[in-house]
Amino acid sequence: RKEVEQDPGPFNVPEGATVAFNCTYSNSASQSFFWYRQDCRKEPKLLMSVYSSGNEDGRFTAQLNRASQYISLLIRDSKLSDSATYLCVVPSAGTYKYIFGTGTRLKVLA
Amino acid sequence: NAGVTQTPKFQVLKTGQSMTLQCAQDMNHEYMSWYRQDPGMGLRLIHYSVGAGITDQGEVPNGYNVSRSTTEDFPLRLLSAAPSQTSVYFCASSYLGTASSGNTIYFGEGSWLTVV
Repeated sequence: RKEVEQDPGPFNVPEGATVAFNCTYSNSASQSFFWYRQDCRKEPKLLMSVYSSGNEDGRFTAQLNRASQYISLLIRDSKLSDSATYLCVVPSAGTYKYIFGTGTRLKVLA
Repeated sequence: NAGVTQTPKFQVLKTGQSMTLQCAQDMNHEYMSWYRQDPGMGLRLIHYSVGAGITDQGEVPNGYNVSRSTTEDFPLRLLSAAPSQTSVYFCASSYLGTASSGNTIYFGEGSWLTVV
C-alpha cells in the first residue's frame, strides 16, 4: 500500500457545485496533514493544513478521520479558478520526509 | 520577497553531461529538499537536508548528489545525465518541525530539465 493515495480524477464539475476529494494515508503516527494546490506548470502552494479534526477557510473545508486514516477536502460553490490539481501531503512520521500523493485533478466547467 | 529561488528554469543536456541545479532560500529554514515530478507519478523526494552539513536520501536518489554547506543553499548535482532524468525539479524548504508533524513547505518555481 502506498503511504499516501489519492484518486487522480479528473473530477469535472459545473460552476457552483460542491466537490470532495479524499486522501488515504498509511502511517498512523502522522500528526499533521496538508493540502496543496498546483496549477499547470507551476509550483505547489499550500491551500490548507490539518492538525486536529479539521480546518475551514472560506469555501474550503478539510477534515481528518484518524480512525479510517484519511483526510478530505471539500470545496463549496466551485469557481472556474478552482481548476487545478490538489495534492495531499503527509509528513512521514519519524523520518522528516514529506510524502506527496499523486494529486487529484479538478476541472470546474462553465 | 525572494522565498525559494531555483536556477536555471530551463535546461537541455546531452546524455552523459553533468550539471548543477541551484537552490537558495532566504527564510532561514532548516529543512530543504529536492523533488522531481513526472506525469502520473506525483512529486518524488530525491534528497533532503535537516540542516547545514546534514543530508539524506529520499525515494529516488540514484544519479543525484547534494550538499548543504550553508543554511541558505542546497544544490542538486546530476552526475551523468540520462534521458530518464528528464523531469521537472522542485526545490522546497520549510521550518523543521518534529519527526511526526510537519510545517508549511515553500517551493521554488521549478526547473524543467530535458536530457537528449
